[in-house]
Amino acid sequence: DADVTQTPRNRITKTGKRIMLECSQTKGHDRMYWYRQDPGLGLRLIYYSFDVKDINKGEISDGYSVSRQAQAKFSLSLESAIPNQTALYFCATSDPTAPRTDTQYFGPGTRLTVL
Amino acid sequence: TQLLEQSPQFLSIQEGENLTVYCNSSSVFSSLQWYRQEPGEGPVLLVTVVTGGEVKKLKRLTFQFGDARKDSSLHITAAQTGDTGLYLCAGVRGTDSWGKLQFGAGTQVVVTP
Repeated sequence: DADVTQTPRNRITKTGKRIMLECSQTKGHDRMYWYRQDPGLGLRLIYYSFDVKDINKGEISDGYSVSRQAQAKFSLSLESAIPNQTALYFCATSDPTAPRTDTQYFGPGTRLTVL
Repeated sequence: TQLLEQSPQFLSIQEGENLTVYCNSSSVFSSLQWYRQEPGEGPVLLVTVVTGGEVKKLKRLTFQFGDARKDSSLHITAAQTGDTGLYLCAGVRGTDSWGKLQFGAGTQVVVTP
């Protein structure tokens, strides 16, 4: 079984709808992240969480919110989806014991299309 | 503007040829990582370099971290079709105290038989 899972894998929605993307991990890592990937822009950080009680904004948090329900679960919500939020979304985890070198483990991604 | 600039954006070569991908910045990084991403999957770490001038080899892949820790390169010798993918560099800036990664836009590598 995959260490980091994301649901759904694909979603098509309409402008103005509320969408939730879910991420679960079995790696036992405290740190979790949400990124979006757009062609030509690479991965950009939306939100990150050091532990269940810690939530921080990344570089592009406007229009998004998150919830850390447990160490293993981190969900991303789009309160009112708009077309420019069409992108590939990735969840990732990392182990903070070696911050200069910590590896990030990515889920398989969710492809979101907002019409 | 990307903090980490990758070049080229796209590279198409035939099996057996060599290739080099570059990752450059005006900022100093305490570490740089290279990831490979295949279609329908998330990025997977290939290597981490932390010391200026460091060279790491992973089979046919050679990674180098610049002396000033502002740039890195990935060289693939005798490319195979299995090397096809999006190569991403990512770094932790020297001023950041934790593993917050800045990603480059990626280089799409296509290796044809």
